[in-house]
Amino acid sequence: EDQVTQSPEALRLQEGESSSLNCSYTVSGLRGLFWYRQDPGKGPEFLFTLYSAGEEKEKERLKATLTKKESFLHITAPKPEDSATYLCAVRVDYKLSFGAGTTVTVRA
Amino acid sequence: NAGVTQTPKFQVLKTGQSMTLQCAQDMNHEYMSWYRQDPGMGLRLIHYSVGAGITDQGEVPNGYNVSRSTTEDFPLRLLSAAPSQTSVYFCASSSALETQYFGPGTRLLVL
Repeated sequence: EDQVTQSPEALRLQEGESSSLNCSYTVSGLRGLFWYRQDPGKGPEFLFTLYSAGEEKEKERLKATLTKKESFLHITAPKPEDSATYLCAVRVDYKLSFGAGTTVTVRA
Repeated sequence: NAGVTQTPKFQVLKTGQSMTLQCAQDMNHEYMSWYRQDPGMGLRLIHYSVGAGITDQGEVPNGYNVSRSTTEDFPLRLLSAAPSQTSVYFCASSSALETQYFGPGTRLLVL
């Protein structure tokens, strides 16, 4: 059975304090790993897609990396507006399997 | 482009009532799907469709029906609502195996 596990469940950061979120997965036939951001009361917003081990993607203060068993989302010098829940998902065929998410709170 | 739209935004049902959650997309995406999101459990796939006339079950299909008569629309039907179906429902669409884009969600409370 495909499994996606995100850690930690919650992360409280001071503004400017860099950190990393982890997404570990066990799937057969991976067709992409996705990172989404979700604000309270909103739908998930797409951030990155990674397809192969060693691949990296960046967007502003966020950087996503991928290995054969896990992905990391690095937040560099976060700002309060980076506060959100970050979701990781893996695709096998047409189906996405999601982790439970990491809720990040950045204090000014 | 409106993207993925969902109606209603919020609904309260009594146990045993039926209703349809609407989802529409204007991006000509062939793939559409429905998820439910519950606290601590992440998003779980209910049903999905790879094109008009083609649907299949996801991880948690029981109690839900879908149909896909057009490329644009993918309604989700609750046949007889139960308190366990209280959740937030998201519709998503994508082109083939590309990125899935999500709608704003429908919050459903079953009493």
